Amino acid sequence: DAKTTQPNSMESNEEEPVHLPCNHSTISGTDYIHWYRQLPSQGPEYVIHGLTSNVNNRMASLAIAEDRKSSTLILHRATLRDAAVYYCILRAYNAGGTSYGKLTFGQGTILTVHP
Amino acid sequence: DTEVTQTPKHLVMGMTNKKSLKCEQHMGHRAMYWYKQKAKKPPELMFVYSYEKLSINESVPSRFSPECPNSSLLNLHLHALQPEDSALYLCASSQGRLAIGELFFGEGSRLTVL
Repeated sequence: DAKTTQPNSMESNEEEPVHLPCNHSTISGTDYIHWYRQLPSQGPEYVIHGLTSNVNNRMASLAIAEDRKSSTLILHRATLRDAAVYYCILRAYNAGGTSYGKLTFGQGTILTVHP
Repeated sequence: DTEVTQTPKHLVMGMTNKKSLKCEQHMGHRAMYWYKQKAKKPPELMFVYSYEKLSINESVPSRFSPECPNSSLLNLHLHALQPEDSALYLCASSQGRLAIGELFFGEGSRLTVL
């Protein structure tokens, strides 16, 4: 399976933007880039996903490099509630692949938000 | 209703016990997942069901036995577990096509094996 590399931890101040990087240099053409986050004592929560183009939703924006070897999750104004572990995950959509259907979590980035 | 409900929230069992974890969703999703999460580690995929059929088994020991009796319900039967199986067990669901769309996770069942 193609792997992702994220910083172990990042810190931010409340109401400031946060850019969470993810490297995925071995991404294949059939991999979507997904982001999930896990707040303390909760199950993971979907944030956003994309394939080639940048994506926006009510929670965040996803900026994908032109070569798709890296991406950045952008939280436009961090709040204390955004403190969580953020996971960048590659998900294969090619039904013929051995990793099809799997959502495999890496180590993630622990985001701390300071008041 | 966008919830995945897991019961029980906490379970303590001995190594000779048989118990089950239950997961339910009413979003019309046709894919359901079991994950295991140890403290301070990422969730690890165990099983995936698609349209009530087991489609992925990540080489999980046979003391864990999944069951999907219908499209809304997913069980994990536990038998002869070891203390190292103590963990948070997470259930998730998604729409039918496995690779598309978000997973909705429950809050998990915290299992302690004595």
